[in-house]
Amino acid sequence: AQTVTQSQPEMSVQEAETVTLSCTYDTSENNYYLFWYKQPPSRQMILVIRQEAYKQQNATENRFSVNFQKAAKSFSLKISDSQLGDTAMYFCAFKEYSGAGSYQLTFGKGTKLSVIP
Amino acid sequence: KAGVTQTPRYLIKTRGQQVTLSCSPISGHRSVSWYQQTPGQGLQFLFEYFSETQRNKGNFPGRFSGRQFSNSRSEMNVSTLELGDSALYLCASSFGNVQGVYEQYFGPGTRLTVT
Repeated sequence: AQTVTQSQPEMSVQEAETVTLSCTYDTSENNYYLFWYKQPPSRQMILVIRQEAYKQQNATENRFSVNFQKAAKSFSLKISDSQLGDTAMYFCAFKEYSGAGSYQLTFGKGTKLSVIP
Repeated sequence: KAGVTQTPRYLIKTRGQQVTLSCSPISGHRSVSWYQQTPGQGLQFLFEYFSETQRNKGNFPGRFSGRQFSNSRSEMNVSTLELGDSALYLCASSFGNVQGVYEQYFGPGTRLTVT
């Protein structure tokens, strides 16, 4: 089974500043997918960004971008121009092939991000 | 397009009872996965259904079961509830069989409290 590690249980950032959330993973696969999900206090899990391992270019979605270092098995999320609505738990997830056409997500423990006015 | 819906949103049960949770996926999605979220264990995979068949199962006891209907709606059942089953149960849907499309979209969850 794969493992996903988020080493920062909690972080805070001033509004309009930039923050980076860390994630490392362990796998012997070569082709895989990584995701960052956001879970605000409402508990709705929202997909923030995805990265295909075979792509060298880092994924970007508006203010969210990743730094994907395949050799280091690192997948960090950068949030630029932080907004109050970014306050949430952020989960790093690894898409794992389980056989018979099935995939499952393995999640890290999460990083609680607080954006301070 | 409507998102993933889960009912009920909140549920309180007593030990020993059983409970059934429901999930309606996004239209066109044929795969439904269930996850349990607790403060201690985080998010853990329960099982996945695709075209009415259980395609994958996580490491949970047999008290946890599920099924999927022909319209892709899924139900999850927990029998003989224990206090440790108190959790947020999340359902996620995806196409499941479209090459290159791997995102799972989550519902709002069902908060189960066992007393």
